[in-house]
Amino acid sequence: AIRMTQSPSSLSASTGDRVTITCRASQGISSYLAWYQQKPGKAPKLLIYAASTLQSGVPSRFSGSGSGTDFTLTISCLQSEDFATYYCQQYYSYPRVTFGPGTKVDIK
Amino acid sequence: EVQLLESGGGLVQPGGSLRLSCAASGFTFSSYAMSWVRQAPGKGLEWVSAISGSGGSTYYADSVKGRFTISRDNSKNTLYLQMNSLRAEDTAVYYCAKDAVPAATYYYYYGMDVWGQGTTVTVSS
Repeated sequence: AIRMTQSPSSLSASTGDRVTITCRASQGISSYLAWYQQKPGKAPKLLIYAASTLQSGVPSRFSGSGSGTDFTLTISCLQSEDFATYYCQQYYSYPRVTFGPGTKVDIK
Repeated sequence: EVQLLESGGGLVQPGGSLRLSCAASGFTFSSYAMSWVRQAPGKGLEWVSAISGSGGSTYYADSVKGRFTISRDNSKNTLYLQMNSLRAEDTAVYYCAKDAVPAATYYYYYGMDVWGQGTTVTVSS
């Protein structure tokens, strides 16, 4: 099974900061990677698929990059509504997808 | 509006059974593969099971294989998860989720774009 790791597991940041989260796959997955945002008590929300394609309606301050085994999610200018937990998801082995352990972004 | 609404969660004893339902609306249900994803308290997301749009193909995580059964009734726009031989480690919020594109494959997949609100399953004596 393809295993996903994320770093850091948590980070503290301020509004307006640039934030970068890293996701690594245990084997090459090309660009078959998605990112989700989850707020407490809520369902996950799709942000990015195909490593870098923004889902409709997602603000342009979110961006994704990478291919193979290493990927990043960047929030260019952190807003108050962006404080949440972020998960990467590989779908190279679709439909048996796997998620990363998550990165919690909280207020400094 | 595209919507998914789960139901059927609750408290069950170890070894017991439960059936979850996910009622879909606002899209052509039979065209989309569907998944169940769970989240144990304070933990991350874990994919549990998936089913093709027709219902002819089903897939399971190793952790639930042989105990859980996914199914769908396209005439009722409803997805199901039959959970048997439940264990404490199955305690979680269970979400149903829709593929973003119809007839998805690994190279034609845009993630899971619609999720239900979740239903809580607690396995405890």
